[in-house]
Amino acid sequence: SQQGEEDPQALSIQEGENATMNCSYKTSINNLQWYRQNSGRGLVHLILIRSNEREKHSGRLRVTLDTSKKSSSLLITASRAADTASYFCATDSLSRIYNQGGKLIFGQGTELSVKP
Amino acid sequence: DAGVTQSPTHLIKTRGQQVTLRCSPKSGHDTVSWYQQALGQGPQFIFQYYEEEERQRGNFPDRFSGHQFPNYSSELNVNALLLGDSALYLCASSLGLAGGGETQYFGPGTRLLVL
Repeated sequence: SQQGEEDPQALSIQEGENATMNCSYKTSINNLQWYRQNSGRGLVHLILIRSNEREKHSGRLRVTLDTSKKSSSLLITASRAADTASYFCATDSLSRIYNQGGKLIFGQGTELSVKP
Repeated sequence: DAGVTQSPTHLIKTRGQQVTLRCSPKSGHDTVSWYQQALGQGPQFIFQYYEEEERQRGNFPDRFSGHQFPNYSSELNVNALLLGDSALYLCASSLGLAGGGETQYFGPGTRLLVL
């Protein structure tokens, strides 16, 4: 079952513009992670935000987390053609049985196209 | 510092056959998780291994089994292959059981095609 729902499903912008992707989830979480995937290959980790954090930055990336609304957003500023990829949010919750995390639940992703 | 490696990169099998996929975790990591990603979908969690034991399992049938070796590398076995098992299989490694939340690092994946 998929917990995260990304919005929009596809986004097309020009180089230099900002790209914003949103993610909503259903259950309480330990942390939320954003990944990038190029052409159906492996996932590249972008950023992890913990449930007690509200905002995090990494280079041109800005992630926000609103646990009351069970939502997160990923902002890529000054986009480049090389940012063209699929972006996934993934939530990590504690297992009730083992009191441990590590079972990432992914959304269906946002396909970002950045035109030069 | 070697990242997560997987082998083989591509595989073609026929229905009913069995397949074994392999994963070596990132240096220093001791936990391996496996995910299945169908075309156009997000990855789905299959199971997680730590200390050579399956610790968590997703909603996958018993045809999917795994193993973790003392050097932390792992195998994913799928028996009685179905057409629907065609997917990209991703391995991810992390340190510890991620009780506090740890980053998972993914390998490049193995693309399995079942004919």
